[in-house]
Amino acid sequence: ETGVTQTPRHLVMGMTNKKSLKCEQHLGHNAMYWYKQSAKKPLELMFVYNFKEQTENNSVPSRFSPECPNSSHLFLHLHTLQPEDSALYLCASSPRGGVGRNSGNTIYFGEGSWLTVV
Amino acid sequence: QKEVEQNSGPLSVPEGAIASLNCTYSDRVSQSFFWYRQYSGKSPELIMSIYSNGDKEDGRFTAQLNKASQYVSLLIRDSQPSDSATYLCAVNMYSGGGADGLTFGKGTHLIIQP
Repeated sequence: ETGVTQTPRHLVMGMTNKKSLKCEQHLGHNAMYWYKQSAKKPLELMFVYNFKEQTENNSVPSRFSPECPNSSHLFLHLHTLQPEDSALYLCASSPRGGVGRNSGNTIYFGEGSWLTVV
Repeated sequence: QKEVEQNSGPLSVPEGAIASLNCTYSDRVSQSFFWYRQYSGKSPELIMSIYSNGDKEDGRFTAQLNKASQYVSLLIRDSQPSDSATYLCAVNMYSGGGADGLTFGKGTHLIIQP
């Protein structure tokens, strides 16, 4: 149990479907993140939220739409995805605004949502 | 392009030996460095963090940082089969924004042979 819960753990969707991934953190953290992990590629930072405000969008296609209603919840809305979007999507949180220079802050991951686009 | 480089392996080490994992990074102003362990099918878990030049020890793990060489390493003493996993090096590459994330390497696949 990491304190960061993601649902669903596995999702299969067609290219025309609309689905959402959900993340909830029980750690009292203020920053939340979405990362993408594809085979043979490094973890890619997608979005960063600090105190519910989006502070980074790492050139992610608009078919991925994040939502952060409060500091404990984060969603990733998915629509018209492509097969190459199939990957492990990891939610993470950190105590305060990101992993700033000299902050010593670090992030904690959820178990991930395995997404397959067919 | 800010990058974190790791040898993808696999790195095969006999049980009881020292496993040495290496990582280089491109952003000279990086200040925070982390090692995560990821078992197959699982999410990454933090095992070590280091912020200052030198060594930091925690149980069987030692992280080493050399900012002049832009190099960070992880040593695992008395390696156990349960240490077999992919080890991810992560670096805070300050982008000037507020809540930065981490930049990860591709990971080194470590196999401890019984």
